[in-house]
Amino acid sequence: GQNIDQPTEMTATEGAIVQINCTYQTSGFNGLFWYQQHAGEAPTFLSYNVLDGLEEKGRFSSFLSRSKGYSYLLLKELQMKDSASYLCAVMDSNYQLIWGAGTKLIIKP
Amino acid sequence: DVKVTQSSRYLVKRTGEKVFLECVQDMDHENMFWYRQDPGLGLRLIYFSYDVKMKEKGDIPEGYSVSREKKERFSLILESASTNQTSMYLCASSPTTDSQTEAFFGQGTRLTVV
Repeated sequence: GQNIDQPTEMTATEGAIVQINCTYQTSGFNGLFWYQQHAGEAPTFLSYNVLDGLEEKGRFSSFLSRSKGYSYLLLKELQMKDSASYLCAVMDSNYQLIWGAGTKLIIKP
Repeated sequence: DVKVTQSSRYLVKRTGEKVFLECVQDMDHENMFWYRQDPGLGLRLIYFSYDVKMKEKGDIPEGYSVSREKKERFSLILESASTNQTSMYLCASSPTTDSQTEAFFGQGTRLTVV
């Protein structure tokens, strides 16, 4: 079956760096997405990776290793507003998105 | 600014009622999706549509139906609401099936069936 695994919850300190991991097993691969979802709100797009390597976008970076079925989202210079859930999703061979359960990130002052 | 709008943020319905959840997008997107989101589970796809009057079952279609009479509108119908359909429902749209296409989400409808 298809499976996306990510930690349920993580805690970090304001100003620090945090890495949220995502491992996947899917039938085919057409890219990996990271979304941010604040409590009670809609998910919003953060990043997309289809080739191996690191994609940097401001304070956020996303890494992909297709051979390992592994990605991470790196958040630098954490701010209180970064408290949210982070969703990992993989597009399979049928161009369907398979979603992880999300990682709730708690930022402490 | 892209926009996906769901008709209600919160709904409370009784068991057995027929429930309509409406979703409208103003981006001329081809694809529209209905998901439900429950604690501890990833987004689960209920139905999707790649074109007007076209619909495809997702992973959990039982107890639901959909309608897409116009390109911008995708409706989710609970034929006879049950308590296990209490959930957050999210509508999304995307321009094409191209793999680089991100999905845009509505704000969600939190449905409670009592």
